[in-house]
Amino acid sequence: AQSVTQPDIHITVSEGASLELRCNYSYGATPYLFWYVQSPGQGLQLLLKYFSGDTLVQGIKGFEAEFKRSQSSFNLRKPSVHWSDAAEYFCAVGVPTGNQFYFGTGTSLTVIP
Amino acid sequence: DSGVTQTPKHLITATGQRVTLRCSPRSGDLSVYWYQQSLDQGLQFLIQYYNGEERAKGNILERFSAQQFPDLHSELNLSSLELGDSALYFCASSKDSGRFNEQYFGPGTRLTVT
Repeated sequence: AQSVTQPDIHITVSEGASLELRCNYSYGATPYLFWYVQSPGQGLQLLLKYFSGDTLVQGIKGFEAEFKRSQSSFNLRKPSVHWSDAAEYFCAVGVPTGNQFYFGTGTSLTVIP
Repeated sequence: DSGVTQTPKHLITATGQRVTLRCSPRSGDLSVYWYQQSLDQGLQFLIQYYNGEERAKGNILERFSAQQFPDLHSELNLSSLELGDSALYFCASSKDSGRFNEQYFGPGTRLTVT
C-alpha cells in the first residue's frame, strides 16, 4: 500500500537557521509529490509540487524541495527560517493509478528567536 | 485568504445527530474536495465533486454524503454522528477535475460531537 512518512513530529529551529523537513514515500513508480503548510487556524496552502523533470523544485516563501528517487524522499528545505514560518507542514503524495491522494502526518515547526 | 469559504466555523452537536457543512469554492473553480483532519487519523481525503458530479472517493464513511449544486457550492452531510467524528473538516477547490492540480483550501469547520 502507498504511504507517506514524515519521521519528525516536531522540530524547533532558531530564526535565521536552515531547515530541512523530511518526507519519505512508498510507491512503486514516481508519484506526484507536494508540500503544504498549515498556519494556526488556517487551511492548507501549497508550497511546491513535483511532477517530473528537474528534481530540485522551487516553491513559494523561499522553500525548495529535492526529489531523490533512490531514497524515495522529497525533503523540504529553507536556507534561513523566519518566525512567520512556524506552522504545520504536510508532505503529500498523488498516485495517478486510482487517482488517490495521501498526506503524511505532518511536522510541527517552532521557530525560536 | 484563499477565496474558499466554509460555514459554519464551529459546530457542536450531540451523538446521533445530523449536521450539514457548507463550502463555496473560489470563483471559477469547478472542483470541490472534502477532507477530514483529526488527531488520530491525520488528514484524509473524503470525496471530490467536479461540476456537480462525483469524481473521486476516498475514506468517506457511509454515514457521510456530499453533493455539489448547480451554483457549484457543496455540502457535506454527516449523520448518526459519533464521538470519533469530531474533527476539522476542510473544503478545497480547484479549476478543473485533475486531482493533482493546485487545490485552494478553506479555513475549515471544526465539528465537536459530545
